[in-house]
Amino acid sequence: KAGVTQTPRYLIKTRGQQVTLSCSPISGHRSVSWYQQTPGQGLQFLFEYFSETQRNKGNFPGRFSGRQFSNSRSEMNVSTLELGDSALYLCASSLGTGEETQYFGPGTRLLVL
Amino acid sequence: DAKTTQPPSMDCAEGRAANLPCNHSTISGNEYVYWYRQIHSQGPQYIIHGLKNNETNEMASLIITEDRKSSTLILPHATLRDTAVYYCIVRVANSGGSNYKLTFGKGTLLTVNP
Repeated sequence: KAGVTQTPRYLIKTRGQQVTLSCSPISGHRSVSWYQQTPGQGLQFLFEYFSETQRNKGNFPGRFSGRQFSNSRSEMNVSTLELGDSALYLCASSLGTGEETQYFGPGTRLLVL
Repeated sequence: DAKTTQPPSMDCAEGRAANLPCNHSTISGNEYVYWYRQIHSQGPQYIIHGLKNNETNEMASLIITEDRKSSTLILPHATLRDTAVYYCIVRVANSGGSNYKLTFGKGTLLTVNP
């Protein structure tokens, strides 16, 4: 089975721009979670989507949003980028029917200048 | 979710067993212990998880104490490629999908030396 894929792998943006990141889960997985990893804050949970609905949410401002499509692929959007948004953005997928194991993708490295 | 405590770093000689401890003294009865590892700048890799009993898979063994307040991840024959940050996570199960957040601490940086 193919693993979780994320595109793009690397991205450079400037302050004030917006960015959209994509995540394709493992085939058959319906839950997609997003995490932000920075050197200062470590790995932090952003939100989780299941069946095209946001089911769980972390403590991030409204500039961070996401959506999930009917094929379970998910996108994450960050508007009005700030320097502090520079991070590794990770998505993880799982079956979604319970608290099963989450499998992570390779991440998207975002640099905001 | 219960808080976990791990040593910030450990060293291990190549070919020897690496034993990574984790303390989770406030764990609840319905919380699993999960282990992930992250090689520099890659996505975390799932290793193993357990509830009460010891578990073993092709990557590692997980030993959970009888009172469930601590656990040890064992890599039986460490290689240089096992150098990574290892995270111990305690997570509620069976909450009907209301708790999908994995709470990562700082983990243990395991360095395998030749």
